[in-house]
Amino acid sequence: DIQMTQSPSSLSASVGDRVTFTCRASQSISTYLHWFQQKPGKAPKLLIYAASRLQSGVPSRFSGSGSGTDFSVTISSLQAEDFATYYCQQSYTTPWTFGQGTKVEIK
Amino acid sequence: QVQLQESGPGLVKPSQTLSLTCTVSGGSITGGDYYWSWIRQPPGKGLQWIGYIYYTGSTYYNPSASLKSRITISIDTSKNHFSLNLRSVTAADTAVYYCARSRLWSAFDIWGQGAMLTVSS
Repeated sequence: DIQMTQSPSSLSASVGDRVTFTCRASQSISTYLHWFQQKPGKAPKLLIYAASRLQSGVPSRFSGSGSGTDFSVTISSLQAEDFATYYCQQSYTTPWTFGQGTKVEIK
Repeated sequence: QVQLQESGPGLVKPSQTLSLTCTVSGGSITGGDYYWSWIRQPPGKGLQWIGYIYYTGSTYYNPSASLKSRITISIDTSKNHFSLNLRSVTAADTAVYYCARSRLWSAFDIWGQGAMLTVSS
C-alpha cells in the first residue's frame, strides 16, 4: 500500500496568517493526489483534486502544488471558517489511502 | 444535484454482520461512469477506504488486514442504492461509515453525511 504522511499533525495560526501543510507519498503518485477539509461532526469536503485543481466553489485563498511524492496546500490568508482538519488522499493505485490529517487550530 | 444518504442500524453486536445502505438521489447510480465507495472513520481517527462498486457489479475491496475477507459491497440499480456488509464485527469496527462517489483514479467529489455504527454487546 502507498503510505501518505502529512505534516505537521497540527498547527496553530491566527486569522489572516498564511499557512502551508504538506503530504508525502511513499512512492511516486504523479498528481493523483487530492485534499479534503473536515469539520467536527461533518463529512469530508473535496477542496483540491489532481494536486492543484480547485474544486468548484472553493475559495481562491486555497492553492495546491506538487507532483511525484511531495505535495502541499497553502491558505493565503486564514479565515475563521478554515479551522478544520485536512486530509490528503492518493488515487494512483488501489487500495486508495489517506494521510493521517493536519489539524489547523486557532492560536 | 446528486446527494448520498447512508442508513443503518446504529448498533451491532460483536460477531454479527454490519449492513449499511447508501441511497443516491438527484441522479442515476448507473450514469456518469462513477464508482461508489465506502469509507470509514473510527472516533477521533483518520479515514480508511473500504472498497468500491461500479454499476455493473464490479468491485474492489481493500485487502487491509483489518477488513480482509469480511467485506461485501453490492448494488441495486432499480433502487438506486448500494450496500456494505461487514461480517464478524468487533469493537474495532466502530466508526462513522461514509459513502462517496468518484470516477476511477479521481477524487471523491460527493460524500454522504455519514452513519455512526457502534459495535457493542
